[in-house]
Amino acid sequence: AQSVTQLGSHVSVSEGALVLLRCNYSSSVPPYLFWYVQYPNQGLQLLLKYTSAATLVKGINGFEAEFKKSETSFHLTKPSAHMSDAAEYFCAVSDGRTGNKLVFGAGTILRVKS
Amino acid sequence: KAGVTQTPRYLIKTRGQQVTLSCSPISGHRSVSWYQQTPGQGLQFLFEYFSETQRNKGNFPGRFSGRQFSNSRSEMNVSTLELGDSALYLCASSDGTANTEAFFGQGTRLTVV
Repeated sequence: AQSVTQLGSHVSVSEGALVLLRCNYSSSVPPYLFWYVQYPNQGLQLLLKYTSAATLVKGINGFEAEFKKSETSFHLTKPSAHMSDAAEYFCAVSDGRTGNKLVFGAGTILRVKS
Repeated sequence: KAGVTQTPRYLIKTRGQQVTLSCSPISGHRSVSWYQQTPGQGLQFLFEYFSETQRNKGNFPGRFSGRQFSNSRSEMNVSTLELGDSALYLCASSDGTANTEAFFGQGTRLTVV
């Protein structure tokens, strides 16, 4: 079975500081990994996805993530936080064999301080 | 093109009642998945429909059911509602190929009283 662990339910950074949101996964097959963002009372929006083409994945809004197989990690980073980045972020995994079923982590709420 | 549309956005139901939620996917998308989001359990997969057939199913009781129509629109039904069914129900559409982007609707907020 697949699973995702997001370390830290809440992360607080200052505007302009580095954003680092941690995600570790468990999968018995090569995984497909995703990061989604959710703003209050909204659905989820895809930030980026890893599908084995490249280990460093660039997404929207300046976010990127690096797939590290040895560490079973897929951490999300952004060099400089903006107030508009305040939201909840979800890491998700899919095994590619069961259609489009996504297994999500518990989420990390990002707070950006001015 | 138009995004994923979920109706209604908000619902209040009484315990024991049943409810039907609707999802219209992006035009051309044949896969519709449903997720339940609660503060305690997070985002949990309910089921996926592809070309009118259920392709995947999560670990929810039989009170939760769904269907998909020939135009790819999907409905989800919950019978004999319980207080614990209060949640945000999200629908996601995709073209159905493995691991392509899933586009989410804004969700239906169900409150059971």
